Amino acid sequence: DVVLTQSPLSLPVTLGQPASISCRSSRSLVHSDGSTYLNWFQQRPGQSPRRLLYYGSKRDSGVPDRFSGSGSGTEFTLRISGVEAEDVGVYYCMQGTHWPLTFGGGTTVEIK
Amino acid sequence: EAQLVESGGGLVQPGGSLRLSCVASGFSFSSYWMTWIRQAPGKGLEWVASMRQDGGERYYVDSVKGRFTISRDNAKDALYLQMNSLRAEDTAVYYCVRGRSGMDVWGQGTTVTVSS
Repeated sequence: DVVLTQSPLSLPVTLGQPASISCRSSRSLVHSDGSTYLNWFQQRPGQSPRRLLYYGSKRDSGVPDRFSGSGSGTEFTLRISGVEAEDVGVYYCMQGTHWPLTFGGGTTVEIK
Repeated sequence: EAQLVESGGGLVQPGGSLRLSCVASGFSFSSYWMTWIRQAPGKGLEWVASMRQDGGERYYVDSVKGRFTISRDNAKDALYLQMNSLRAEDTAVYYCVRGRSGMDVWGQGTTVTVSS
């Protein structure tokens, strides 16, 4: 199974400051069709998860442009250019390239 | 707007059964893979099962193989999860999700508690 390792586990951030979350995969996430199925989700307290980014870096409709994604192969990063109070929650990476589908363990973003 | 609404959760004894349902609206249900994801209390997200548009392919996480069955009724825009031989470790919020590789639309979840 593909293991996705997220770091850090917890990320205290000052409002307005940038934040970065790493997601490392145990194998390449490039599918045989050439696409890289790496998604990022945000789960605010008490809510269902919401997809932020797909194909590693493509932003979903309605997602603020302070969220960005980068990476390829086995190393991916989610960046928030300036954290706002509404960004508090848990962030998960997830791979859809290989069965079984797997999620990272999550990174909790909190305000300092 | 695409929406998914789950139902069918509840309290069940170990060894019991439950059937979860998910009704879709606002999109062409029959055009999408559909997936169940679960989240145990205070824990992360875990993929449970996915099913192709026509039902021709189904995949399960190892821990539920032989106990859970994913199915769908495209005429009713509905997805199901039949859960048998339930265990305490199946206690979780179960989410119905559109897609497989992308998972772009999520329901609000339904809670399953397995306890005596």
